[in-house]
Amino acid sequence: EVQLVESGGGLVQPGASLKLSCVASGFTFSDYWMSWVRQTPGKTMEWIGDIKYDGSYTNYAPSLKNRFTISRDNAKSTLYLQMSNVRSEDTATYYCTANPGVFAYWGQGTLVTVSS
Amino acid sequence: DIVMTQTPSSQAVSAGEKVTMSCKSSQSLLYSENKKNYLAWYQQKPGQSPKLLISWASTRESGVPDRFIGSGSGTDFTLTISSVQAEDLAVYYCEQYYDTPYTFGAGTKLELK
Repeated sequence: EVQLVESGGGLVQPGASLKLSCVASGFTFSDYWMSWVRQTPGKTMEWIGDIKYDGSYTNYAPSLKNRFTISRDNAKSTLYLQMSNVRSEDTATYYCTANPGVFAYWGQGTLVTVSS
Repeated sequence: DIVMTQTPSSQAVSAGEKVTMSCKSSQSLLYSENKKNYLAWYQQKPGQSPKLLISWASTRESGVPDRFIGSGSGTDFTLTISSVQAEDLAVYYCEQYYDTPYTFGAGTKLELK
């Protein structure tokens, strides 16, 4: 059974940095492109970006490209999202997903709240 | 960016009713080389993650009941639930994967009448 388990969310101050993790199991992680998608408290869904199966290529939503970085460790079956200079509008539930575009697998999400 | 517009934003339904919801894209999602529409539908129940129902505008995922029917092409798409069940009460999102950034509609919420 495919499982994606996100962690690392919480309350963070504006301007701070935060790193989210997603541990994958139940499939060959190193064979899949992976993505991060977020959902705001108002339920708006936004694709953040994705990373190639070997980590050699990343693609981001233009509005987030300068502050967010996606990486992966295939040996640990783990996907990461490094967030920097966070803003109140980054408050959302962050989901790890497999197979970018057609998001077939989703984690349970981790909530990030940006507030002073 | 491709803008996805879903209507209605919410709909009150009774069990057994036929339901249709619309999704329109700001540009065509039909790729001429393979004649495929790059459009997916997701279902999200309260407190849960989204679940992929349909890809390529009309291809149901394994295990999705056949009462869920996706149709349309180009810029106009429809999700039909032929006979709504209580467990179908959820928010439904469409998403285009024709081009990055992948974009989602704002959702249609099905509520009980």
